[in-house]
Amino acid sequence: QVLLVESGGGLVKPGGSLRLSCAASGFNFSDYYLTWIRQVPGKGLEWVSYISGSESYTNFAPSVRGRFSISRDNAKNSLYLQMNNLRAEDTAVYYCARSTLSGVMFEDHWGQGTLVTVSS
Amino acid sequence: QSVLTQPPSVSGPPGQRVTISCSGSSSNIGRNTVNWYQQVAGAAPKLLIYTTYRRPSGVPDRFFASMSGTSASLAISGLQPEDEADYYCSSWDDSLRIPVFGGGTKLTVL
Repeated sequence: QVLLVESGGGLVKPGGSLRLSCAASGFNFSDYYLTWIRQVPGKGLEWVSYISGSESYTNFAPSVRGRFSISRDNAKNSLYLQMNNLRAEDTAVYYCARSTLSGVMFEDHWGQGTLVTVSS
Repeated sequence: QSVLTQPPSVSGPPGQRVTISCSGSSSNIGRNTVNWYQQVAGAAPKLLIYTTYRRPSGVPDRFFASMSGTSASLAISGLQPEDEADYYCSSWDDSLRIPVFGGGTKLTVL
């Protein structure tokens, strides 16, 4: 079955950096877009970024553009989110999700999330 | 402030039918399909409806989605205790050129 497991979350100071990883299994990894979505505890979902299977297409939410980068290693079935110049408002649970493009993109499988806390 | 607008909460007793609305604009729902996600407390979101009407396998037909103009709706009939969750709509915004979510609606089964 499809499995997505995030890692790399933790406590970081404002201005610091963190790299999240998402290990995938159970599907042909390179065939799918992958997406990062975050959720402030107790709040709603916020789309962060996506990357195409071939890495040709990426996109970022305005709130993270220029600070975050997304990449993937299709040989390792892994997705990454490099987060730089972190701010308190980046504190959230970060989910990776498999995305399918049909009409608009939708996320049909989600990981359990990893918590990122930005605090001094 | 979310691009898509949902009511913060809805409620109903077991067996009843409730509807959750998702209001957008001509740059998102007005020209793109809508997805719905269900998030039970403490769990990751789960895809409930995709491309406006379609249910993934395993989602019961008690969940029915529709769309009209710049708004979408999710109807849940025959409410069950396990339906208690947060529900989110999403679409693509042609002006922002990013996916957008609604703020979420908390469903309470009384």
